[in-house]
Amino acid sequence: DAKTTQPPSMDCAEGRAANLPCNHSTISGNEYVYWYRQIHSQGPQYIIHGLKNNETNEMASLIITEDRKSSTLILPHATLRDTAVYYCIVRVFYNFNKFYFGSGTKLNVKP
Amino acid sequence: NAGVTQTPKFQVLKTGQSMTLQCAQDMNHNSMYWYRQDPGMGLRLIYYSASEGTTDKGEVPNGYNVSRLNKREFSLRLESAAPSQTSVYFCASSREPPSSGNTIYFGEGSWLTVV
Repeated sequence: DAKTTQPPSMDCAEGRAANLPCNHSTISGNEYVYWYRQIHSQGPQYIIHGLKNNETNEMASLIITEDRKSSTLILPHATLRDTAVYYCIVRVFYNFNKFYFGSGTKLNVKP
Repeated sequence: NAGVTQTPKFQVLKTGQSMTLQCAQDMNHNSMYWYRQDPGMGLRLIYYSASEGTTDKGEVPNGYNVSRLNKREFSLRLESAAPSQTSVYFCASSREPPSSGNTIYFGEGSWLTVV
């Protein structure tokens, strides 16, 4: 199973871009990279996912390196409401639909 | 537009008592999951059900049983609760097949305290 490595915490100034890195050096060719976040102790919320190409939606952008061994989630204009734990998850394709969460990155957006 | 609904939201149990956490989804998803989250930690998979009538163990299945009652409902049972099972429990669901890249949707959590 591909594992992910994320920094335990990061700070970001309100209004600035937040760039959250994730290392997944053992990712397989048909495994997706997913990003979720968890605000306080609510249920995790889907943000974005990708396979090879960079992706963008109304919440964030996902940049995946060409070798797919790492990725970066970008929140273009962070707000205080973006303070949360962000999880980078690699979909374990061959083990039927299991999502394994690590410890994530606690993003602190400061005024 | 309920999504994934869990009950109860809060529960206090005495050691040795049993209880069942209920989960239902209204998105016609094939797969359902139960996770637990201990303070300051990420989510860990307890059990999952790939489809109606099937269940399988996740990372931390000991002390739990599950039932996939029908396509909508997936329950988690603690037969003899222990303080180590104090945690927040999340139910989730997703649509398959795996190649689609579909996402997983979570309920709001059930806070369980075992004293």
